[in-house]
Amino acid sequence: NAGVTQTPKFQVLKTGQSMTLQCAQDMNHNSMYWYRQDPGMGLRLIYYSASEGTTDKGEVPNGYNVSRLNKREFSLRLESAAPSQTSVYFCASSEGLAPTGELFFGEGSRLTVL
Amino acid sequence: RKEVEQDPGPFNVPEGATVAFNCTYSNSASQSFFWYRQDCRKEPKLLMSVYSSGNEDGRFTAQLNRASQYISLLIRDSKLSDSATYLCVVNSYNAGNMLTFGGGTRLMVKP
Repeated sequence: NAGVTQTPKFQVLKTGQSMTLQCAQDMNHNSMYWYRQDPGMGLRLIYYSASEGTTDKGEVPNGYNVSRLNKREFSLRLESAAPSQTSVYFCASSEGLAPTGELFFGEGSRLTVL
Repeated sequence: RKEVEQDPGPFNVPEGATVAFNCTYSNSASQSFFWYRQDCRKEPKLLMSVYSSGNEDGRFTAQLNRASQYISLLIRDSKLSDSATYLCVVNSYNAGNMLTFGGGTRLMVKP
């Protein structure tokens, strides 16, 4: 019962480096999301994909790009990392588009940008 | 003003105590409300949805007050295992009708 799987779980980058966070779900969900969580800020939506082939900006999309590779996979790319992107990133999925359905989260990816 | 506000706590309570958290939201048109639980360094998980009529799940009771724009979570007979951060979640038209998370309220249950 894998649910939502994110990789890597930990990553340290230098300013200006690029990286991609991978996310895959095995629940046949239509919608997928990327959130970031910072102390005292709550989870903030970066991008989401309501269904395969579509992506939309969330609350804090600047500095990020996403790809919905297929129904299972949704990746998040940082093209030129900045210290302000130090955060914990969570991928989530839901059967329908939130807020209609429960969100299922991955275990998180802790990113530090030096 | 944040769209969803919670007292960050921590709330320190003894085992067996009853504790309540409130969460206020700013968008009067919000329709969907949830409580999620997040253990330390773990992912959030749905605890319960909040319905207009209020709902109960074992020791947990959730209430919605639309007039004052807040939701509440009551935990009775607190257990050590209830220690976690409780996230208030509301749908928000300002974010394309996506869910907006509060910053969370931390609960610590002591023996």
